[in-house]
Amino acid sequence: DAKTTQPPSMDCAEGRAANLPCNHSTISGNEYVYWYRQIHSQGPQYIIHGLKNNETNEMASLIITEDRKSSTLILPHATLRDTAVYYCIVRPWGGSGNTPLVFGKGTRLSVIA
Amino acid sequence: SAVISQKPSRDICQRGTSLTIQCQVDSQVTMMFWYRQQPGQSLTLIATANQGSEATYESGFVIDKFPISRPNLTFSTLTVSNMSPEDSSIYLCSVVTRPGTDTQYFGPGTRLTVL
Repeated sequence: DAKTTQPPSMDCAEGRAANLPCNHSTISGNEYVYWYRQIHSQGPQYIIHGLKNNETNEMASLIITEDRKSSTLILPHATLRDTAVYYCIVRPWGGSGNTPLVFGKGTRLSVIA
Repeated sequence: SAVISQKPSRDICQRGTSLTIQCQVDSQVTMMFWYRQQPGQSLTLIATANQGSEATYESGFVIDKFPISRPNLTFSTLTVSNMSPEDSSIYLCSVVTRPGTDTQYFGPGTRLTVL
Protein backbone atom coordinates (compact mmCIF):
# COMPACT_ATOMS: atom_id res chain seq x y z
CA ASP A 1 0.00 0.00 0.00
CA ALA A 2 1.09 3.58 -0.68
CA LYS A 3 2.50 5.35 2.35
CA THR A 4 1.42 8.82 1.30
CA THR A 5 -1.77 10.87 1.29
CA GLN A 6 -2.44 13.48 -1.37
CA PRO A 7 -5.52 15.52 -2.28
CA PRO A 8 -7.25 13.95 -5.27
CA SER A 9 -7.33 17.15 -7.30
CA MET A 10 -6.21 20.78 -7.37
CA ASP A 11 -6.56 23.75 -9.68
CA CYS A 12 -3.97 26.43 -10.32
CA ALA A 13 -4.06 29.56 -12.43
CA GLU A 14 -1.53 29.74 -15.21
CA GLY A 15 1.55 31.72 -14.17
CA ARG A 16 0.93 31.22 -10.48
CA ALA A 17 2.82 28.89 -8.18
CA ALA A 18 1.33 25.43 -7.75
CA ASN A 19 1.82 24.01 -4.27
CA LEU A 20 1.08 20.30 -4.04
CA PRO A 21 0.98 18.84 -0.52
CA CYS A 22 1.81 15.31 0.54
CA ASN A 23 1.43 13.66 3.91
CA HIS A 24 3.83 10.85 4.82
CA SER A 25 3.50 10.67 8.58
CA THR A 26 4.88 7.11 8.84
CA ILE A 27 8.06 7.81 6.88
CA SER A 28 11.16 5.99 8.12
CA GLY A 29 14.59 7.46 8.61
CA ASN A 30 16.02 5.80 5.52
CA GLU A 31 13.16 6.71 3.20
CA TYR A 32 13.35 9.39 0.56
CA VAL A 33 10.45 11.44 -0.80
CA TYR A 34 10.09 11.21 -4.58
CA TRP A 35 7.82 13.19 -6.87
CA TYR A 36 6.77 12.07 -10.33
CA ARG A 37 4.15 13.31 -12.71
CA GLN A 38 2.20 11.67 -15.48
CA ILE A 39 0.91 13.73 -18.32
CA HIS A 40 -2.02 12.13 -20.06
CA SER A 41 -1.13 8.93 -21.94
CA GLN A 42 2.59 9.23 -21.21
CA GLY A 43 4.95 7.37 -18.89
CA PRO A 44 5.62 8.93 -15.48
CA GLN A 45 8.29 11.61 -15.44
CA TYR A 46 10.74 12.05 -12.57
CA ILE A 47 10.59 15.52 -11.01
CA ILE A 48 12.64 15.66 -7.82
CA HIS A 49 13.49 13.79 -4.65
CA GLY A 50 14.84 14.56 -1.19
CA LEU A 51 15.62 13.16 2.24
CA LYS A 52 15.32 16.02 4.72
CA ASN A 53 16.76 19.13 3.15
CA ASN A 54 14.82 21.29 0.74
CA GLU A 55 15.72 20.62 -2.85
CA THR A 56 15.43 22.65 -6.04
CA ASN A 57 16.03 21.82 -9.67
CA GLU A 58 15.02 23.25 -13.01
CA MET A 59 11.53 21.80 -12.74
CA ALA A 60 10.45 22.34 -9.16
CA SER A 61 11.25 22.82 -5.49
CA LEU A 62 10.65 20.30 -2.75
CA ILE A 63 10.02 21.50 0.77
CA ILE A 64 10.17 18.84 3.49
CA THR A 65 9.05 19.66 7.01
CA GLU A 66 11.56 19.33 9.81
CA ASP A 67 9.80 16.26 11.23
CA ARG A 68 9.68 14.82 7.68
CA LYS A 69 6.02 13.91 8.04
CA SER A 70 4.91 16.03 5.13
CA SER A 71 6.25 17.78 2.07
CA THR A 72 5.21 20.24 -0.61
CA LEU A 73 6.12 20.22 -4.26
CA ILE A 74 6.24 23.72 -5.71
CA LEU A 75 5.99 24.50 -9.40
CA PRO A 76 6.97 28.17 -9.35
CA HIS A 77 5.20 29.36 -12.49
CA ALA A 78 2.66 26.81 -13.63
CA THR A 79 1.87 26.52 -17.32
CA LEU A 80 -0.84 24.60 -19.15
CA ARG A 81 1.75 21.92 -19.91
CA ASP A 82 2.03 21.22 -16.18
CA THR A 83 -1.48 19.77 -16.16
CA ALA A 84 -0.89 16.17 -15.02
CA VAL A 85 -1.28 13.68 -12.18
CA TYR A 86 1.43 14.24 -9.57
CA TYR A 87 2.59 11.34 -7.43
CA CYS A 88 4.34 11.65 -4.08
CA ILE A 89 6.16 8.42 -3.18
CA VAL A 90 8.34 7.40 -0.26
CA ARG A 91 10.92 4.73 -0.81
CA PRO A 92 13.91 3.49 1.15
CA TRP A 93 17.32 4.34 -0.14
CA GLY A 94 18.54 0.95 -1.30
CA GLY A 95 21.84 1.92 -2.81
CA SER A 96 21.41 -0.57 -5.61
CA GLY A 97 17.88 0.56 -6.38
CA ASN A 98 16.27 -2.73 -5.45
CA THR A 99 13.00 -1.28 -4.18
CA PRO A 100 10.66 -0.27 -7.00
CA LEU A 101 8.32 2.67 -6.72
CA VAL A 102 4.85 2.02 -5.33
CA PHE A 103 2.30 4.48 -6.68
CA GLY A 104 -0.72 5.85 -4.85
CA LYS A 105 -3.57 7.71 -6.50
CA GLY A 106 -1.74 11.03 -6.78
CA THR A 107 -3.10 14.57 -7.24
CA ARG A 108 -4.63 15.61 -10.52
CA LEU A 109 -3.41 19.17 -11.11
CA SER A 110 -5.34 21.26 -13.60
CA VAL A 111 -3.66 24.48 -14.70
CA ILE A 112 -6.26 26.94 -15.87
CA ALA A 113 -5.68 29.76 -18.33
CA SER B 1 18.73 9.48 -17.37
CA ALA B 2 18.05 6.82 -19.98
CA VAL B 3 16.18 6.67 -23.26
CA ILE B 4 13.61 3.89 -23.05
CA SER B 5 11.61 2.65 -26.00
CA GLN B 6 8.73 0.20 -26.06
CA LYS B 7 7.25 -1.77 -28.92
CA PRO B 8 4.50 -1.80 -29.88
CA SER B 9 3.23 1.58 -28.74
CA ARG B 10 -0.32 0.30 -28.96
CA ASP B 11 -2.20 -2.76 -30.14
CA ILE B 12 -5.69 -4.15 -30.40
CA CYS B 13 -5.90 -7.88 -29.81
CA GLN B 14 -8.50 -10.61 -29.74
CA ARG B 15 -9.28 -12.45 -26.53
CA GLY B 16 -7.39 -15.69 -26.09
CA THR B 17 -4.31 -14.49 -27.94
CA SER B 18 -0.95 -13.36 -26.53
CA LEU B 19 1.10 -10.21 -27.04
CA THR B 20 4.79 -9.67 -26.34
CA ILE B 21 5.91 -6.17 -25.42
CA GLN B 22 9.53 -5.19 -25.86
CA CYS B 23 11.50 -2.71 -23.76
CA GLN B 24 14.84 -1.41 -25.04
CA VAL B 25 17.14 0.94 -23.15
CA ASP B 26 19.97 2.92 -24.71
CA SER B 27 22.40 2.08 -21.90
CA GLN B 28 23.02 -0.72 -19.45
CA VAL B 29 20.76 -0.54 -16.43
CA THR B 30 20.83 -2.24 -13.06
CA MET B 31 17.11 -2.81 -12.52
CA MET B 32 14.13 -3.25 -14.83
CA PHE B 33 10.51 -3.34 -13.77
CA TRP B 34 7.15 -3.83 -15.47
CA TYR B 35 4.02 -1.94 -14.42
CA ARG B 36 0.37 -2.04 -15.46
CA GLN B 37 -2.00 0.91 -15.49
CA GLN B 38 -5.63 -0.02 -15.90
CA PRO B 39 -8.02 2.62 -17.28
CA GLY B 40 -8.42 5.51 -14.86
CA GLN B 41 -6.18 3.89 -12.29
CA SER B 42 -2.70 4.38 -10.89
CA LEU B 43 0.31 2.24 -11.74
CA THR B 44 0.64 -1.27 -10.30
CA LEU B 45 3.92 -3.15 -10.22
CA ILE B 46 3.78 -6.47 -12.04
CA ALA B 47 7.31 -7.77 -11.55
CA THR B 48 11.02 -7.12 -11.39
CA ALA B 49 12.83 -8.43 -14.45
CA ASN B 50 16.04 -10.14 -13.35
CA GLN B 51 18.86 -10.60 -15.79
CA GLY B 52 19.59 -14.25 -16.41
CA SER B 53 17.03 -15.56 -13.93
CA GLU B 54 13.30 -15.77 -13.36
CA ALA B 55 11.44 -12.54 -12.73
CA THR B 56 10.17 -11.67 -9.26
CA TYR B 57 6.39 -11.26 -9.36
CA GLU B 58 4.19 -9.17 -7.11
CA SER B 59 1.15 -10.57 -5.38
CA GLY B 60 -1.64 -11.17 -7.85
CA PHE B 61 0.63 -11.65 -10.86
CA VAL B 62 1.90 -15.04 -12.05
CA ILE B 63 4.48 -16.19 -14.52
CA ASP B 64 2.06 -18.21 -16.61
CA LYS B 65 0.01 -15.09 -17.33
CA PHE B 66 2.86 -12.57 -17.58
CA PRO B 67 6.08 -14.33 -18.61
CA ILE B 68 9.05 -11.99 -18.57
CA SER B 69 12.48 -12.29 -20.10
CA ARG B 70 15.60 -10.21 -19.58
CA PRO B 71 18.45 -11.64 -21.62
CA ASN B 72 20.85 -8.73 -21.06
CA LEU B 73 21.29 -5.37 -19.32
CA THR B 74 19.43 -3.31 -21.95
CA PHE B 75 16.44 -5.40 -23.04
CA SER B 76 13.38 -7.07 -21.56
CA THR B 77 10.07 -8.48 -22.78
CA LEU B 78 6.70 -8.87 -21.12
CA THR B 79 4.14 -11.25 -22.59
CA VAL B 80 0.46 -10.93 -21.78
CA SER B 81 -0.90 -14.44 -22.30
CA ASN B 82 -4.38 -15.73 -23.06
CA MET B 83 -5.73 -12.21 -23.02
CA SER B 84 -9.16 -11.14 -21.86
CA PRO B 85 -10.77 -7.69 -21.96
CA GLU B 86 -9.68 -7.20 -18.33
CA ASP B 87 -6.09 -7.10 -19.56
CA SER B 88 -6.79 -3.88 -21.45
CA SER B 89 -4.28 -1.51 -19.88
CA ILE B 90 -1.15 0.51 -20.44
CA TYR B 91 1.96 -1.56 -19.76
CA LEU B 92 5.07 0.36 -18.76
CA CYS B 93 8.71 -0.58 -18.55
CA SER B 94 10.82 1.17 -15.91
CA VAL B 95 14.54 1.15 -15.17
CA VAL B 96 17.12 2.22 -12.64
CA THR B 97 20.21 3.27 -14.51
CA ARG B 98 22.96 2.70 -12.01
CA PRO B 99 23.41 1.78 -8.37
CA GLY B 100 23.57 4.64 -5.96
CA THR B 101 21.13 6.87 -7.84
CA ASP B 102 17.88 5.03 -7.18
CA THR B 103 15.96 7.24 -9.62
CA GLN B 104 13.54 5.24 -11.74
CA TYR B 105 12.79 6.21 -15.32
CA PHE B 106 9.79 5.10 -17.35
CA GLY B 107 9.18 4.17 -20.92
CA PRO B 108 6.33 5.66 -22.95
CA GLY B 109 4.08 2.66 -22.36
CA THR B 110 2.20 0.19 -24.54
CA ARG B 111 -1.54 0.72 -24.77
CA LEU B 112 -3.27 -2.63 -25.10
CA THR B 113 -6.93 -3.09 -25.96
CA VAL B 114 -8.41 -6.59 -25.85
CA LEU B 115 -11.68 -7.18 -27.65
